[in-house]
Amino acid sequence: QVQLVQSGTEVKKPGASVRVSCKASGYTFTSHAMQWVRQAPGQGLEWMGWINTGNGYTKYSQKFQGRVTITTDTSASTAYMELSSLTFEDTAVYYCARWRGGGFCDYWGQGTLVTVSS
Amino acid sequence: EIVLTQSPATLSLSPGERATLSCGASQRVSSNYLAWYQQRPGLAPRLLIYDASTRATGIPDRFSGRGSGTDFTLTISRLEPEDFAVYYCQQYGSSVALTFGGGTKVEIK
Repeated sequence: QVQLVQSGTEVKKPGASVRVSCKASGYTFTSHAMQWVRQAPGQGLEWMGWINTGNGYTKYSQKFQGRVTITTDTSASTAYMELSSLTFEDTAVYYCARWRGGGFCDYWGQGTLVTVSS
Repeated sequence: EIVLTQSPATLSLSPGERATLSCGASQRVSSNYLAWYQQRPGLAPRLLIYDASTRATGIPDRFSGRGSGTDFTLTISRLEPEDFAVYYCQQYGSSVALTFGGGTKVEIK
């Protein structure tokens, strides 16, 4: 069965960077793009970007352009999301989600809590 | 960027009642590429509907989606206890910028 398993909770200081991993199993990793979505405490879902896992092409939300980098290690069926120059407003749960069809998300990781605290 | 506006923000209903949730887009959603997700507290979102009206695998038929262009609706025909949650719409007609609506919370009256 399809599974996306994300790395664990992170606590970072303002100005630092964080990298979250998302290991896929149960399907051919390079057959589906991967999206990253975040959710601040008590807030809605916010799309961050996606990566074509077959060729590495990426597209980022304008809001995060220049601060986010999404990559993959196809040999490990793992996607990564790195966010730099963290501020308190980056405290959120970060999700990876498999892209299907035109771009909807049919499977989601369990989420990774990133807390930015001094 | 297409902005999605969901209404109402909160819907207070009793089990067994019908829920109607709306999602309005600031521009036409290409190919009716609109999805609905359910999110229960502490859990990841779950895909319910894609392409505006197609139920995802394993989703009960009490959930239905309809709409086109800029106006979309999710209907839950008879609310079950597990349906009380937050619902989000997402458009993917523009892969340049995929966007989510702000969510509708369906709470027990």
